[in-house]
Amino acid sequence: ETGVTQSPTHLIKTRGQQVTLRCSSQSGHNTVSWYQQALGQGPQFIFQYYREEENGRGNFPPRFSGLQFPNYSSELNVNALELDDSALYLCASSPASGGPNTGELFFGEGSRLTVL
Amino acid sequence: DAKTTQPTSMDCAEGRAANLPCNHSTISGNEYVYWYRQIHSQGPQYIIHGLKNNETNEMASLIITEDRKSSTLILPHATLRDTAVYYCIALASNTGKLIFGQGTTLQVKP
Repeated sequence: ETGVTQSPTHLIKTRGQQVTLRCSSQSGHNTVSWYQQALGQGPQFIFQYYREEENGRGNFPPRFSGLQFPNYSSELNVNALELDDSALYLCASSPASGGPNTGELFFGEGSRLTVL
Repeated sequence: DAKTTQPTSMDCAEGRAANLPCNHSTISGNEYVYWYRQIHSQGPQYIIHGLKNNETNEMASLIITEDRKSSTLILPHATLRDTAVYYCIALASNTGKLIFGQGTTLQVKP
């Protein structure tokens, strides 16, 4: 167990709705990254937050947005949900000692989103 | 970021060594090789990483060829709990963005 917790674990939304996913990073970690994993695929990088600022973004549209709070927890928001947004959303944190560029990430168990 | 190529699937007998290959022929000098695994319905788990030298930790060993164009992850005594998808990732030193491919599905059999 990594100490990274995500909520909710499962949720169902309908097309056009908005969703907020939450992540509590491991103690001592100041960098949080979000990944989307479609069924049968490897995770895809959405964005990274370091010290409350966005620090890199993957090929995702602006309706995917995020926040990092002073306690380094994070939220992923997705507006105008589409059927293809159905996926496992993974949060990963990394320790301050490694800096934001470390590849040693600690992943949570994910939030499984189904869009109908 | 260098592209990595892995076999789609592999089998291994329980108790034997599992050797998982990875090709990264376009890797550049500042790109590390990282290995993660993902057990069904769980988040990916970091295993090991290296740049040039071979590395060993409590989970596995990583052997990187001298030209750095390929590497092998070795699980010395595979158990049924090692059944998972294993991802090999080439990561540039100036980014924390992991680019996952399809990975290798390792099935450890009794």
